[in-house]
Amino acid sequence: KAGVTQTPRYLIKTRGQQVTLSCSPISGHRSVSWYQQTPGQGLQFLFEYFSETQRNKGNFPGRFSGRQFSNSRSEMNVSTLELGDSALYLCASSLASGAFANEQFFGPGTRLTVL
Amino acid sequence: GQQLNQSPQSMFIQEGEDVSMNCTSSSIFNTWLWYKQDPGEGPVLLIALYKAGELTSNGRLTAQFGITRKDSFLNISASIPSDVGIYFCAGQFLSGSNYKLTFGKGTLLTVNP
Repeated sequence: KAGVTQTPRYLIKTRGQQVTLSCSPISGHRSVSWYQQTPGQGLQFLFEYFSETQRNKGNFPGRFSGRQFSNSRSEMNVSTLELGDSALYLCASSLASGAFANEQFFGPGTRLTVL
Repeated sequence: GQQLNQSPQSMFIQEGEDVSMNCTSSSIFNTWLWYKQDPGEGPVLLIALYKAGELTSNGRLTAQFGITRKDSFLNISASIPSDVGIYFCAGQFLSGSNYKLTFGKGTLLTVNP
């Protein structure tokens, strides 16, 4: 069974640009959560999608958005990039949402560098 | 918002030694989780705890859910070089639709062979 895949693995952008990251969950998983990981702040929850609907949202500005497709694949978009957006962006999938969030499986992440 | 204090931030130990790390919170959690992250990879779930006082083992790893529901610890016995990595605690509080995972900032473990 293939794990969670994220593309691209590495990305370099400049300030002001926008970026789209992709996540393909484990087959059969319908929930996809996104996290930002930085050395200073650690792992911070961005949002969760389940059945194409955003179910939960962290405390990030509106520049961070996401969506989920009918095949459960998810994309995350960051507009007007800032230097502070440089981070490892992790996606995690699980069978269901809510109480089963602990059954999350993480992908390897996308390393975004903003210059 | 909820915050987790994880300590120590880093540890340097000799192969064969036991290791202990812990997380404390100002708020209660329903679930405590412990993850390990290797370089270039995403976190992998090691142990999940669901009840206050619960003590759970996974091989050489043992974790406990504190009685107050505000803390948890992870012990690694007889450490080996492949235990190297960053260990994260995470807490989950279920309240209606709010079920976000809150992560500690991690403990970097280095094992000298």
